[in-house]
Formats: sequence, C-alpha cells, structure tokens
Amino acid sequence: DTGVSQNPRHKITKRGQNVTFRCDPISEHNRLYWYRQTLGQGPEFLTYFQNEAQLEKSRLLSDRFSAERPKGSFSTLEIQRTEQGDSAMYLCASSFGANSPLHFGNGTRLTVT
Amino acid sequence: AQTVTQSQPEMSVQEAETVTLSCTYDTSESDYYLFWYKQPPSRQMILVIRQEAYKQQNATENRFSVNFQKAAKSFSLKISDSQLGDAAMYFCAYRPYSGGGADGLTFGKGTHLIIQP
Repeated sequence: DTGVSQNPRHKITKRGQNVTFRCDPISEHNRLYWYRQTLGQGPEFLTYFQNEAQLEKSRLLSDRFSAERPKGSFSTLEIQRTEQGDSAMYLCASSFGANSPLHFGNGTRLTVT
Repeated sequence: AQTVTQSQPEMSVQEAETVTLSCTYDTSESDYYLFWYKQPPSRQMILVIRQEAYKQQNATENRFSVNFQKAAKSFSLKISDSQLGDAAMYFCAYRPYSGGGADGLTFGKGTHLIIQP
C-alpha cells in the first residue's frame, strides 16, 4: 500500500511527558499537512510543509508543538509537556502540488492521562 | 477567516434512497475549492468529490453529486441509491486557491450519515 502512513496508531501518555508522531506521505507528494481532530469536530489545520520548508503554522500550534520534515520526505510532530487538552486524533495528509487533493492517513490517537 | 457550517449533525436514510447533506461557507475569496470528505469508523478521511469555484457545472462522481450555489455560498452533497457502505461522517471542506498563502483545508463539524437497511 502506498498511501499515507502514520505511526503509532494509538499513544497513551501521562501528562507532562513528551510524545512524537511520525507521518510518511505518498512518495511523490511534496506537500505534507498536519491536522488535529477532537471528538465531534472536524479536523483543524495545524501546519504544512512544502518539501522541507514549513510554510504555515496555525495559531493552534502552541510553543509546545513542533513539526519537522528534515529531508522533505517523512515528518514528525512532537508535543512537549503534554496536557489533557492535547488528547485528540492527529491526522497527516499529503498532496502533489498546490491544487491537488489531500490524501489522509489513518491518524494517531493521543490520550493524555 | 473562512468558516464552514454543516447544520445537520445527523441524517438517516433508507438503503437505496437519496439523501442530501447541507453545507454553507463564508469567504471573501473568489477562487477556491470545495470538497466533501467521508470518514468511516476506520477513521481514514477519503475524498468523495471536489468542486472548483470557477466552474459553473456541478461536479459528479458516480452516485455522488453536488449542488454548488456560489452566490449563496452553498455546497450540498447528494447521494443517490444509498448503500450500507455509505454510512460514515461526512465533512464539507473549503480550501483557498494556492496563490492566497493559506493552504490548509477548513472543515465543517461533520454530518453523521446513517443508512437504514
């Protein structure tokens, strides 16, 4: 399967711990997006990359959040000092070029206890 | 800021019948894209249909079609001959044309579609 891959699928962590998620986009896609989805809501845009450059960050992305895409391929999203409010589904998507549809991964569900 | 509103939290339809899901949006842009995504319980978001705002003709994909009313900022999804596999959350989404700088999708809160056998 050559779709968008996200790991892990589930992550349970204690408040205050750091977590890191990984996203592997479709190989020829140069754009990569991170979204957050809480229960009963639609996904909310967090940030996106074109190749290795992070071009936009939402105001939802607090200082505790950092995303990287060092070689323009896979991306990581790190949350430092997790809080219970960080519990959500974190979705990754990729696209080929500016006006192409986004393809989503299965998401990583984070639970902060 | 763009907003997307889905006023129907849940809809139910009998198998083989037709259902229409509503979506309205607010934007000051003239060029943009609109999408309907489906999210089944397996949770992967799947693109159902896409509409470019500059196109007058409504998009159609097999049993799925849209009614795009640009002046009214309305973008409804019609599902014909509903099937059990259509049961899912449906999200309407807006995306500005890439030249505008803001590149992310803005989603509505979703409509939970139930298919009655």
